[in-house]
Amino acid sequence: GDSVTQTEGLVTLTEGLPVMLNCTYQSTYSPFLFWYVQHLNEAPKLLLKSFTDNKRPEHQGFHATLHKSSSSFHLQKSSAQLSDSALYYCALSFFHQGGSAKLIFGEGTKLTVSS
Amino acid sequence: GGIITQTPKFLIGQEGQKLTLKCQQNFNHDTMYWYRQDSGKGLRLIYYSITENDLQKGDLSEGYDASREKKSSFSLTVTSAQKNEMAVFLCASSNRAGTEVFFGKGTRLTVV
Repeated sequence: GDSVTQTEGLVTLTEGLPVMLNCTYQSTYSPFLFWYVQHLNEAPKLLLKSFTDNKRPEHQGFHATLHKSSSSFHLQKSSAQLSDSALYYCALSFFHQGGSAKLIFGEGTKLTVSS
Repeated sequence: GGIITQTPKFLIGQEGQKLTLKCQQNFNHDTMYWYRQDSGKGLRLIYYSITENDLQKGDLSEGYDASREKKSSFSLTVTSAQKNEMAVFLCASSNRAGTEVFFGKGTRLTVV
């Protein structure tokens, strides 16, 4: 079936170091891929989504590249900031029966950035 | 801008009790979702609905019912609350393509 895998449950970094959070997926369709971020006591919010034209999405210093050959959509940032500490979810959506999207999330990666 | 409102924010129920969580959106989105959030287990889909009066089961539908009374509202019922299902329940809505998704702030369920 369709699924999203995030291998790291917890990532701890020192401010200024690069960030890379892993995401791989399985899908019988050609899905859109997303990264969502959830800060403490807040709702998840969209951080990035994949494009169909191979553009690399970027937002708030984060970027991710969809590699269909390896079914991956890893999240990267060159230099971590304290405010990046949050829970990050990778997700995919694809058209399901009835012509509507079904959203599937990974297990999440908690990123903690310290000074 | 639009908003998703979940009520109540905190819900305390007794074991075996039937409990209902509500969600309203004003994005005019077709699709609405209910997810359960447990620490270390991500967001697991309980039910979703692609239009009014439609229901689709997710991976975690057992023990839950849902109702899409109108386009803007989607309710979730815990049919018999159990202590092992204490979690945060998140409602979301999206456009039909699933490229625009917004979440509510969640309902935290405690079972005593």
